[in-house]
Amino acid sequence: AQRVTQPEKLLSVFKGAPVELKCNYSYSGSPELFWYVQYSRQRLQLLLRHISRESIKGFTADLNKGETSFHLKKPFAQEEDSAMYYCALRRGAGSYQLTFGKGTKLSVIP
Amino acid sequence: GAVVSQHPSRVICKSGTSVKIECRSLDFQATTMFWYRQFPKQSLMLMATSNEGSKATYEQGVEKDKFLINHASLTLSTLTVTSAHPEDSSFYICSARGQGDGKNIQYFGAGTRLSVL
Repeated sequence: AQRVTQPEKLLSVFKGAPVELKCNYSYSGSPELFWYVQYSRQRLQLLLRHISRESIKGFTADLNKGETSFHLKKPFAQEEDSAMYYCALRRGAGSYQLTFGKGTKLSVIP
Repeated sequence: GAVVSQHPSRVICKSGTSVKIECRSLDFQATTMFWYRQFPKQSLMLMATSNEGSKATYEQGVEKDKFLINHASLTLSTLTVTSAHPEDSSFYICSARGQGDGKNIQYFGAGTRLSVL
């Protein structure tokens, strides 16, 4: 069975410091990975997906199949980045279900 | 962008009553909708996958007679918690995937906080 692990429940960084939110997965097939974000009192929304290989709000994430990781990175944290971040994995071809990690709360200190 | 409306946002009910939660895709047709449950400080756990016009597919350990799902149209899915008990108290979230959406993106509702007294 697939699993998504986010080892940090809470990550606090100072404004302007680099950010890395860790995500590891276990899956026997070819995965599709996502990062979802939930700002305070807002709904969950897609931040980025590994297939698109794009940078959103300064965030990037590279799928490392060797390390089975999909860490989320940003070189300079902003206060507005404070939110709950969830890593998710799509269960293989023909399936649209997502398996979520437990989430990491990012707190950016002014 | 695609918007998913979930109603109600909060409901308090007595033990033994049934509660219906609606999930609507407002500006797109959703062939597939998903229902999640989230316990405090924990992740979203998929309960079931709902496809328009067919029976929902439930995840292992989810009682289908307890959590009735109906996906009657391309824009509406409902979750009914039947004979609710205090242990059913939780945060329920729906999401929808657009028809013909090859991007496999799910759009989420704002969630429903259910409290069973």
